[in-house]
Amino acid sequence: GENVEQHPSTLSVQEGDSAVIKCTYSDSASNYFPWYKQELGKGPQLIIDIRSNVGEKKDQRIAVTLNKTAKHFSLHITETQPEDSAVYFCAALSSGGSYIPTFGRGTSLIVHP
Amino acid sequence: EAGVVQSPRYKIIEKKQPVAFWCNPISGHNTLYWYRQNLGQGPELLIRYENEEAVDDSQLPKDRFSAERLKGVDSTLKIQPAELGDSAVYLCASSSGTGAGTEAFFGQGTRLTVV
Repeated sequence: GENVEQHPSTLSVQEGDSAVIKCTYSDSASNYFPWYKQELGKGPQLIIDIRSNVGEKKDQRIAVTLNKTAKHFSLHITETQPEDSAVYFCAALSSGGSYIPTFGRGTSLIVHP
Repeated sequence: EAGVVQSPRYKIIEKKQPVAFWCNPISGHNTLYWYRQNLGQGPELLIRYENEEAVDDSQLPKDRFSAERLKGVDSTLKIQPAELGDSAVYLCASSSGTGAGTEAFFGQGTRLTVV
């Protein structure tokens, strides 16, 4: 089955700095990669996603990049704000299986004012 | 529009006791998921329903866990008897289908503590 590795587990930045979270996946059949943000006491919420036929996608201050050859994808947050503080999860879905997302272990992002 | 509703939010039980969680998905969503999230980890799928049919339950510990989705809407997840290692957040999610770009919406979860 799919295996998703996520790094770092904790990321601490100053407000205004950029933050980068990286994930790798194992199943070459995976073709959809969503990113979720989970705030304390809440369920994960989709913030951005990317499909395998696209190398990069941007939405305001967040962007995702995908390298299919290397099987890794990254989340980039620019001009971080304290409200960006949360746990971020990457996930990968394979069209070859039951199309269930496999999640990474999460990155706790702390943005200091 | 209401999101995915789960209850209770918190539950503390003694080991060997039974416990049940309830989920009301977003109206019209045929696909329903139950995930378990251990502390410091990502969600792990327990079971997926397409309408009332369980189509993916390979990760559900069937000796103590059971789930049902009667009438293809609300769902309950039960643990009997609970063990200390079952302490986790149990998340329910729903989607309008499966496939690339189909967003799964999560509830707030039920935090279970087994003592």
